[in-house]
Amino acid sequence: AQSVTQLDSHVSVSEGTPVLLRCNYSSSYSPSLFWYVQHPNKGLQLLLKYTSAATLVKGINGFEAEFKKSETSFHLTKPSAHMSDAAEYFCVVSDRRAGGTSYGKLTFGQGTILTVHP
Amino acid sequence: GAGVSQSPSNKVTEKGKDVELRCDPISGHTALYWYRQSLGQGLEFLIYFQGNSAPDKSGLPSDRFSAERTGGSVSTLTIQRTQQEDSAVYLCASSRGLAGPEGEQYFGPGTRLTVT
Repeated sequence: AQSVTQLDSHVSVSEGTPVLLRCNYSSSYSPSLFWYVQHPNKGLQLLLKYTSAATLVKGINGFEAEFKKSETSFHLTKPSAHMSDAAEYFCVVSDRRAGGTSYGKLTFGQGTILTVHP
Repeated sequence: GAGVSQSPSNKVTEKGKDVELRCDPISGHTALYWYRQSLGQGLEFLIYFQGNSAPDKSGLPSDRFSAERTGGSVSTLTIQRTQQEDSAVYLCASSRGLAGPEGEQYFGPGTRLTVT
């Protein structure tokens, strides 16, 4: 079974300072991992994904995440926060079978609300 | 190109009534998923369809919930005898399918269901 734990329900940073959103996962085989963002009253947008290629994944809007198998972590970072980054962020896992195909369903973390202060 | 679309965007219904929610996936995507987003439960998987295979219904919360996918494209999620705890945003997503490690799903804007 797969599961995701986002370690912080709320993170508050000042504009221009680094962002760190923490995520730990568990999966039975070799997961695909994603970060999605949801702005208020908007749909879910994919930020980045890990699918067993490079462990450091770069996404949109300057975000990146590092897959660390030994720590079962997939933390999201950004060097300098912008006001427009304020949103809710979801860490997501999808298990994959031995042949590389996905089980299909996504398991979402509980979400981290990022607040950016001027 | 066009993304995933859902209708209606908002639906208010009385307890005990049936509702139908519609999803149009991205053209050419063979896999379609339904999720529910509610305050107490977060984002939960409901059901997914992949090509002509039998759907994975493992996330449906009760037998009042059902879904169909006609012609491998449009899907309808039906909730019978709605209850107040069904109030949530219902999200649909589609992907190219399971033939590879991508698994990237594209989400629609959702249908906000309110049961009064």
